[in-house]
Amino acid sequence: KAGVTQTPRYLIKTRGQQVTLSCSPISGHRSVSWYQQTPGQGLQFLFEYFSETQRNKGNFPGRFSGRQFSNSRSEMNVSTLELGDSALYLCASSRLGTGPYEQYFGPGTRLTVT
Amino acid sequence: EDQVTQSPEALRLQEGESSSLNCSYTVSGLRGLFWYRQDPGKGPEFLFTLYSAGEEKEKERLKATLTKKESFLHITAPKPEDSATYLCAVQAGNTDKLIFGTGTRLQVFP
Repeated sequence: KAGVTQTPRYLIKTRGQQVTLSCSPISGHRSVSWYQQTPGQGLQFLFEYFSETQRNKGNFPGRFSGRQFSNSRSEMNVSTLELGDSALYLCASSRLGTGPYEQYFGPGTRLTVT
Repeated sequence: EDQVTQSPEALRLQEGESSSLNCSYTVSGLRGLFWYRQDPGKGPEFLFTLYSAGEEKEKERLKATLTKKESFLHITAPKPEDSATYLCAVQAGNTDKLIFGTGTRLQVFP
């Protein structure tokens, strides 16, 4: 069974630009969550989508947004990039949107903002 | 506020030297506690889920246990390939989001 895939794997952007990251969950998984990982803050929750609806949102500014498509694939967008947005962005999928089901992570997208 | 604390931050072990990693948590309504392993440049790899106090799970040289306030990841006779960062996370309340600790960076030397 294929795991969670994320594209692109690496990205270099300039301050002020915007970026879109993509995530394809494990087949049959309908819940997709996004996390930001930095050396200083560790892994922090961005948002979660289930059946094309955002169910939870973390404490990030409105420049961070996402969406989910009918095939459960998800994208996240960051507008007006800042240097502090440089991080590893991780996508995780789980089987259902309820219950303490484990989340499986993709390899991440390494975003560097210059 | 829900909080997860892991200790120690870093651990250096000789091959075969058993030890334990700690994860203490303060949450309202624990639904599950998860252990992950993360290698440099990769996403976290799922290891265990623990749901209730007293529960134990084992996988090869790893054994995870859970009490009402903390979880332990015991590593028995570790090998160099066990070197990684071990992350603890909890799900609580009515949300599926994972709240992560900052991890324990384990290095096992031959």
